[in-house]
Amino acid sequence: QVQLQESGPGLAKPSQTLTLTCTVSGVSISSGSFYWMWIRQPAGKGLEWIGRFYTTGSTNYSPSFKSRVTISVDPSKNQFSLNLKSVTAADTATYYCATRRGSIGYAVTDDYMDVWGEGTTVTVSS
Amino acid sequence: DIVMTQSPLSLSVTPGESASISCRSSQSLLHPEGHHYVEWYLQKPGQSPHLLIYLSSIRASGVPDRFSGSGSGTDFTLKISRVEAEDAGIYYCMQALETSYSFGQGTKLEVK
Repeated sequence: QVQLQESGPGLAKPSQTLTLTCTVSGVSISSGSFYWMWIRQPAGKGLEWIGRFYTTGSTNYSPSFKSRVTISVDPSKNQFSLNLKSVTAADTATYYCATRRGSIGYAVTDDYMDVWGEGTTVTVSS
Repeated sequence: DIVMTQSPLSLSVTPGESASISCRSSQSLLHPEGHHYVEWYLQKPGQSPHLLIYLSSIRASGVPDRFSGSGSGTDFTLKISRVEAEDAGIYYCMQALETSYSFGQGTKLEVK
């Protein structure tokens, strides 16, 4: 059973680069066909999709973040990370990591095996 | 970007009743292979969201058959039959047609 756990600094200063990590258990991050994703949610507001890393090495990012964000994978630690540059107070939110199966090796209608972490809260403040 | 618009933004139902939530996309979510790439999530209070429906009408593993999705083109609906207290929370639609996904604003369901 796949499980995800986010970790991060909790507090970041404006203009800094925020780094969040998602530790994966139950599956090897470098095997199979999976999307590794980040989504965020400001307190009391809706969900905002940030981006994803695919097993093949390709990445896709929301245009809202494209110039500031990088998602990468560390197979040696079975983790994937989010780097968000030049943070401001508007980046204060709960950040979720998530995964789902990819397209390679699966039929289109196969179950997505969608799994989310519990989320980690980040406050951007000086 | 594809914009997803949900309605209503909140609704209140009595246990046993049905509830419907609409989601409209700014462009068709029909993929050339014939499926509509719209999904529905439920976020219960204090929890992470979890997937209910994908490809417009397919229930994710473990989701009760009280939940059903339908629609085509740009208009989609999530219907919850025989609402139970545990169904309370915020429901989100999401498009996955483009490689940059996007969510609707969310619909808060209160179970009286």
